Amino acid sequence: QVQLQESGPGLVKPSGTLSLTCAVSGGSISSSNWWSWVRQPPGKGLEWIGEIYHSGSTNYNPSLKSRVTISVDKSKNQFSLKLSSVTAADTAVYYCARDPGAIAVADVYYFDYWGQGTLVTVSS
Amino acid sequence: QSALTQPASVSGSPGQSITISCTGTSSDVGGYNYVSWYQQHPGKAPKLMIYEVSNRPSGVSNRFSGSKSGNTASLTISGLQAEDEADYYCSSYTSSSTRVFGTGTKVTVL
Repeated sequence: QVQLQESGPGLVKPSGTLSLTCAVSGGSISSSNWWSWVRQPPGKGLEWIGEIYHSGSTNYNPSLKSRVTISVDKSKNQFSLKLSSVTAADTAVYYCARDPGAIAVADVYYFDYWGQGTLVTVSS
Repeated sequence: QSALTQPASVSGSPGQSITISCTGTSSDVGGYNYVSWYQQHPGKAPKLMIYEVSNRPSGVSNRFSGSKSGNTASLTISGLQAEDEADYYCSSYTSSSTRVFGTGTKVTVL
């Protein structure tokens, strides 16, 4: 059973950089999965931030691309999110999630495992 | 990329069936059979309910079903139960190799 656990500061100052890590257990981050970050502002809907493959290949939400960096650390079986130049609008619960990537020889695109989420507040 | 359009709220009485729509474009919902649906209870992480338009993961009740026509996907909950009261989100793969979520629908069991 794959488990994901987000960690990082719960409070970030405006114009600073938000940094979160997602630790993967019960499976290898080097398997044929894509690993995503998704956020949810208080009382609002889900927003996909971006994803990474163990090779380092990434895809980002165009609306956030200029401020987002997602990286992977295979030695620690974890991946990370950095979001720069944050404002109050970046206050949200941040989730990490797994996309199986491929089943047999077919590509798949859905999120089957999620972390519990971590609230990050941007405030001075 | 724009969020997929869902109704803000849908309600039904216990035992009834309800349907939630998810409207996108030919660059996402209409272009691929990669629509998935998620259930989210307050304070909890989303849970996968449907993938690839109409497939149910193991352990998800067969009261949940999905379909698609053109640029609109739908989630139907039959035999509505109190535990189904939650927020529901659709998601799709896009032609830009990104993902997009729907605006979300609050389901109320009357």
